[in-house]
Amino acid sequence: ELKVEQNPLFLSMQEGKNYTIYCNYSTTSDRLYWYRQDPGKSLESLFVLLSNGAVKQEGRLMASLDTKARLSTLHITAAVHDLSATYFCAVVYMEYGNKLVFGAGTILRVKS
Amino acid sequence: EAGVAQSPRYKIIEKRQSVAFWCNPISGHATLYWYQQILGQGPKLLIQFQNNGVVDDSQLPKDRFSAERLKGVDSTLKIQPAKLEDSAVYLCASSLVRSSGSTDTQYFGPGTRLTVL
Repeated sequence: ELKVEQNPLFLSMQEGKNYTIYCNYSTTSDRLYWYRQDPGKSLESLFVLLSNGAVKQEGRLMASLDTKARLSTLHITAAVHDLSATYFCAVVYMEYGNKLVFGAGTILRVKS
Repeated sequence: EAGVAQSPRYKIIEKRQSVAFWCNPISGHATLYWYQQILGQGPKLLIQFQNNGVVDDSQLPKDRFSAERLKGVDSTLKIQPAKLEDSAVYLCASSLVRSSGSTDTQYFGPGTRLTVL
């Protein structure tokens, strides 16, 4: 079964704090995406991770991939209110016709 | 570059009625997807087209849902008859196809929020 599990599902943070969102997936994949969704809006691609050990950073967000552990992390550094959104990880399963399977999402609220 | 366009943005219908959604992908994107996103969940793939052929419709409830992609560009998704549990946001996405045959990053439209009463 193709499963993608995120935790936590809800995260309330103070501005200036650091935190990590975790994404575990069930079977071999060659690509993992992180998307951001603002309320009432569509999904915006943040990162694509293509290989074991890949790390990408954009501003206060850093994503990494460990294909052996089937784990990706999204690390938030010194959170600001503008980062409040829902974050999804999504895994491409090549053996299943490049199907993109999403996690349930992590709702992030940054309090000032 | 224009993004993925969808219409309508909102639709309210009664159960057992029918409804149709329209999607225009990014120009040049051969692959088009329809997803269903129920409140509090991640998007779930309903159907994937490459040009005007269906690649994957394994999770499409075919007794009530249908989709077509005429001429390999625009697509419509129809529900007939609608049930209460169809209330969700319906997202359309498109992507390029790489020379290797695999698909590239998916770009999503704004979605259609469907409420079934």
